Amino acid sequence: AQSVTQLDSQVPVFEEAPVELRCNYSSSVSVYLFWYVQYPNQGLQLLLKYLSGSTLVKGINGFEAEFNKSQTSFHLRKPSVHISDTAEYFCAVSPNTGGFKTIFGAGTRLFVKA
Amino acid sequence: NAGVTQTPKFRVLKTGQSMTLLCAQDMNHEYMYWYRQDPGMGLRLIHYSVGEGTTAKGEVPDGYNVSRLKKQNFLLGLESAAPSQTSVYFCASSFQGDRVTYEQYFGPGTRLTVT
Repeated sequence: AQSVTQLDSQVPVFEEAPVELRCNYSSSVSVYLFWYVQYPNQGLQLLLKYLSGSTLVKGINGFEAEFNKSQTSFHLRKPSVHISDTAEYFCAVSPNTGGFKTIFGAGTRLFVKA
Repeated sequence: NAGVTQTPKFRVLKTGQSMTLLCAQDMNHEYMYWYRQDPGMGLRLIHYSVGEGTTAKGEVPDGYNVSRLKKQNFLLGLESAAPSQTSVYFCASSFQGDRVTYEQYFGPGTRLTVT
């Protein structure tokens, strides 16, 4: 079985500052990892994903994440945030034997202040 | 290409009433899912389907039923609504076995309140 822990429920940050949203996971099998973003009153959309290969993954809107197998982490980073990045971010994991059962973390609410 | 659509967007029910939420996707995806989203709990899988005519239970199936009579549609039913079912419901779909895209595509959600 898999589980996902997002270590911060809320992250306030000033505009143009860097941000890191932390995600740890546990699994007895190899996994695929995802970050999704949910803007207010919308559904989730994929930000980036790690399937295999390079551990540094780049996504949309200037976000990137690094897969660390030894620490079972997949932290999301952005060097300079904008007001428009205010949203809820979900880390998710799927076993690589079949991607249809995805476990989502509880979410981290990023609030960018002017 | 509308992606994943959900009907209705909002609904208020009284305890004991029934309703059906409709999800439709136009991407020819094999897999479809119903989730509920509650504050601080992320998304929890209610039921899912790996193809037309097949359904399976997820993490929190009690009080819900589903049907997948057509590949593009996935219906979620509440036979006797309870206040504990007040939530935001999301439908999602994904390709089958596509190693490039193990990602899910989400609808805009249905906000359900049970009084």
